[in-house]
Amino acid sequence: SYELTQPPSMSVSPGQTARITCSGDALPKQYGYWYQQKPGQAPVLVIYKDSERPSGIPERFSGSSSGTTVTLTINGVQAEDEAAYYCQSTDNSGTYNVVFGGGTKLTVL
Amino acid sequence: EVQLLDSGGGLVQPGGFLRLSCVVSGINFTTYAMSWVRQAPGKGLKWVAAISGDGDTTYYADPVKGRFTVSRDNSKNTLYLQLNGLRAEDTAMYYCANAQGNYWGQGTQVTVSS
Repeated sequence: SYELTQPPSMSVSPGQTARITCSGDALPKQYGYWYQQKPGQAPVLVIYKDSERPSGIPERFSGSSSGTTVTLTINGVQAEDEAAYYCQSTDNSGTYNVVFGGGTKLTVL
Repeated sequence: EVQLLDSGGGLVQPGGFLRLSCVVSGINFTTYAMSWVRQAPGKGLKWVAAISGDGDTTYYADPVKGRFTVSRDNSKNTLYLQLNGLRAEDTAMYYCANAQGNYWGQGTQVTVSS
């Protein structure tokens, strides 16, 4: 079955830049999406279609795509950005099959 | 304001069934494909099922095929998930969301245990 691979954890200091990667064989042809989830809350979409930012999401959140990897970048990380981040995409099977990455726990030191 | 209100979760024995509901307001419900996503305790997000805006087309993740059924009543702005043949591994928080991912419910907890 298709998988998206993320690092399980990452730590950054406030004001630094966090880059979270997500790798999958279908990503050159399928869009990547990113969600932020804080404990006890529903996920929040922070990036869609690789690099688009929904209204209301701070400009410090950005996305990019290169080959089989999509990347979520958070510039000037703030304490409130501490959360789990999940990438999401679909495979190339031709059927609708949504896959999430395993998630990356971002800790702000 | 867009609102998605999940309900219907609870404690059920293995082999039992539940029907989850998601009432949507603030958007033109008929124009949105919808999804169900679940999250086991302490684990990541897993896509469960999706349905087209007109309800004619449905999709399922392999672990739930043949046991779960997604449906919708556009006259009631409501999305459903019928869960049959429940197993311990189905224990999770279940979220409804639109397929684009920008609107989510608060989740409803399903616990399968004897």
